[in-house]
Amino acid sequence: QSVLTQPPSASGTPGQRVTISCSGSNSNIGSNTVNWYQQLPGSAPKLLIYVNDQRPSGVPDRFSGSKSGTSASLAISGLQSEDEADYYCATWADTLSGPFVFGAGTKVTVL
Amino acid sequence: QITLKESGPTLVKPTQTLTLTCHFSGFSLSTDGVGVGWIRQSPEKALEWLALIYWDDDERYNPSLRSRLTITKDTSRNQVGLTMTNMDPMDTATYYCVHGVRRRHCSGGRCYYFDYWGQGTLVTVSS
Repeated sequence: QSVLTQPPSASGTPGQRVTISCSGSNSNIGSNTVNWYQQLPGSAPKLLIYVNDQRPSGVPDRFSGSKSGTSASLAISGLQSEDEADYYCATWADTLSGPFVFGAGTKVTVL
Repeated sequence: QITLKESGPTLVKPTQTLTLTCHFSGFSLSTDGVGVGWIRQSPEKALEWLALIYWDDDERYNPSLRSRLTITKDTSRNQVGLTMTNMDPMDTATYYCVHGVRRRHCSGGRCYYFDYWGQGTLVTVSS
């Protein structure tokens, strides 16, 4: 059971906008920055968004992240077939020995 | 160009100790603000962070696995190791080595995020 809650699935047609939520608490998202990872089938996860809303170089600007209070969101605008993947949110748990924690992941399907 | 590659056994028996090595290139683990960690992914695709070692030799572990884990680094050889004792079939997973970097204007162990991942190595625990 993950401390970060994501919907198990999301879907959209090409060109649509899809949003994935990540819900936490004051002891994780509420007090730390959020990162998002994309995992294509058969590949290792790849950093998609860091520090809530920053994109690493090479990540298309149709991917955007936001954070408000104890929740975060990842939006994919102009959905493309190659965006079909698993998406994970992650942050630090804000305890003395707090681990880095992940959501359970959201499978995005392009219809 | 930062790359990381994991190596180690693909099969271990229950109660045995797992030893993994991460060989990396493109950065130095003696550089301020850099770390190398381990994350595993179960067959059900759940991601679990295991440990992180920092440029200044500090270490951080997942509290739920702390008693079983040891992370080490050999800066001169660009290697990071992970040992996990008392392996169990539930530890069957793909183990990833990751590059950590400290975000700007932040100090402390929780300021790091993981921007590069190795390809992963599948470890199966079975008798």
